[in-house]
Amino acid sequence: GESVGLHLPTLSVQEGDNSIINCAYSNSASDYFIWYKQESGKGPQFIIDIRSNMDKRQGQRVTVLLNKTVKHLSLQIAATQPGDSAVYFCAETQDDKIIFGKGTRLHILP
Amino acid sequence: GAGVSQTPSNKVTEKGKYVELRCDPISGHTALYWYRQSLGQGPEFLIYFQGTGAADDSGLPNDRFFAVRPEGSVSTLKIQRTERGDSAVYLCASSLMINTEAFFGQGTRLTVV
Repeated sequence: GESVGLHLPTLSVQEGDNSIINCAYSNSASDYFIWYKQESGKGPQFIIDIRSNMDKRQGQRVTVLLNKTVKHLSLQIAATQPGDSAVYFCAETQDDKIIFGKGTRLHILP
Repeated sequence: GAGVSQTPSNKVTEKGKYVELRCDPISGHTALYWYRQSLGQGPEFLIYFQGTGAADDSGLPNDRFFAVRPEGSVSTLKIQRTERGDSAVYLCASSLMINTEAFFGQGTRLTVV
């Protein structure tokens, strides 16, 4: 079946550098995408979302890019901080359900 | 304002027992979602409500699982004849309406022994 997935299970980034987390989706009918951050022992925390009529959206230190041609979503985190260490999930809506991928663990190097 | 609240935070039960997990969504949110998350995996969709009705329950693994939301606010996920494979973190989320920002609770960690 169609599903949301992530390319890399673990990403290590130097503190202060920018992080880029990638996601591939396969359902071309999806029109709403969300990035979540999940810290150990906590529920997923909404970071940023984007609808299919946009290709870029910026928040505080985060940017989401959507490329519908190749069905690719990315999350950019500027000036990565130790507090950014977590698992990041991209998710898409399919028939009004939020479907999650497997996640990427972001590890911050001192 | 309060976020999504889930109780209990931890539940240990014996195989074969019945359990209820409660979710208090954010006030005014019409959409409510239940997910199950196993260690190292992403949240797995179970069911979602739009108001009082279950709009999609296609993710419920079998008929031992059932969820209700009788007044369109609090929801209860019910698991009958629990099995060890039901052990997981059960997450609840709510949103103002479907296809908008969804907020998650901290989850209930269910352990079946």
